[in-house]
Amino acid sequence: GAGVSQSPSNKVTEKGKDVELRCDPISGHTALYWYRQSLGQGLEFLIYFQGNSAPDKSGLPSDRFSAERTGGSVSTLTIQRTQQEDSAVYLCASSLGVVSAGGRPYEQYFGPGTRLTVT
Amino acid sequence: DQQVKQNSPSLSVQEGRISILNCDYTNSMFDYFLWYKKYPAEGPTFLISISSIKDKNEDGRFTVFLNKSAKHLSLHIVPSQPGDSAVYFCAARKLSLNAGGTSYGKLTFGQGTILTVHP
Repeated sequence: GAGVSQSPSNKVTEKGKDVELRCDPISGHTALYWYRQSLGQGLEFLIYFQGNSAPDKSGLPSDRFSAERTGGSVSTLTIQRTQQEDSAVYLCASSLGVVSAGGRPYEQYFGPGTRLTVT
Repeated sequence: DQQVKQNSPSLSVQEGRISILNCDYTNSMFDYFLWYKKYPAEGPTFLISISSIKDKNEDGRFTVFLNKSAKHLSLHIVPSQPGDSAVYFCAARKLSLNAGGTSYGKLTFGQGTILTVHP
């Protein structure tokens, strides 16, 4: 079946402009996550959605970052007034749930990412 | 505050030999540990996990060892194959309760180790 897709795959933008990154999760997956990977760094958690609500936004680095999820499916991550330090690969992941009955984490399936370059 | 660390940025191994990837963590509240593998231009894919109540989990050529007292885990790949060449991330999960009282787990990732397996 179709995996997680993200668009665009690459985005080059000028400092100060707004960008929107899109994530299409696997159908039926209720949980959706956004991460980013800056050069030489690990994946940094940004935000987690359960359905359409975002119980954990603690990873969003500033109020320039926002995300929404509509219809329990597609999610968009918006970065306003982009800065050069926002340059990174933004990864989206989805999972069937969060915690299984046995406590084991549901597997997160990642998309290929959007490489954002702010010039 | 890097709670999950992979101190070796890269590892080079001969085909057929053992690859050992290491990961250290600081938070004793982590209850699950996971390894992900990432090829260029693709999202990470789940490889293997281990509960904090276990010390070993094996799946084919992949074995994860957990030493809770040392707060250290390792991934062993035996025998290593050229197709194993990728970036390997370790991740750790800590369970939290969201505002609605539902459990969810946030993954904290290490910086990754580039594994190269030479034919």
